Amino acid sequence: TQLLEQSPQFLSIQEGENLTVYCNSSSVFSSLQWYRQEPGEGPVLLVTVVTGGEVKKLKRLTFQFGDARKDSSLHITAAQPGDTGLYLCAGARDYKLSFGAGTTVTVRA
Amino acid sequence: DSGVTQTPKHLITATGQRVTLRCSPRSGDLSVYWYQQSLDQGLQFLIQYYNGEERAKGNILERFSAQQFPDLHSELNLSSLELGDSALYFCASSVEGQSTDTQYFGPGTRLTVL
Repeated sequence: TQLLEQSPQFLSIQEGENLTVYCNSSSVFSSLQWYRQEPGEGPVLLVTVVTGGEVKKLKRLTFQFGDARKDSSLHITAAQPGDTGLYLCAGARDYKLSFGAGTTVTVRA
Repeated sequence: DSGVTQTPKHLITATGQRVTLRCSPRSGDLSVYWYQQSLDQGLQFLIQYYNGEERAKGNILERFSAQQFPDLHSELNLSSLELGDSALYFCASSVEGQSTDTQYFGPGTRLTVL
């Protein structure tokens, strides 16, 4: 059983469309991180959010941490083929990172 | 390139055998983490070391053990291997091992148990 539930599991969209990935838990975390992983490689950190209600923007990516620090979302505007990959959320607590199962995003040209 | 190196890249072995995976952290990072990634379990935290000492333990089996050496490299030992141990094993490192630290992941070791 995953501590963090990600939805959807798979997402296939056309270039230029927007997408949102959700990460939910019943547990409170000291911080929440989003990673992107490409086939055959290790995950790469995109962002860390620490404060409840925090919103961070990185170019076309917007990350939000829920007020209660239990959930988060990742929104991509005008997706590009280069955004294709496995997106993982991870909650930090007591020096441990618990990962969600991931959302596989495919952006078609 | 994250700066974290892992060897070997691929490992094929038989059930019942023992293997050792090696990880060198980024220069200056004191903390090392080990993760297991499989199709059915996803990415699971195994264990964390900070400056040679065990700091946190996750879902690590008793057949598995790890250590961090004085030069800060780490080894993960897997013994009495079973088919279900086939997975990608990642090492990550961070500066101080705090929850908000950025963890840099290595390229992984793909273990296949036949």
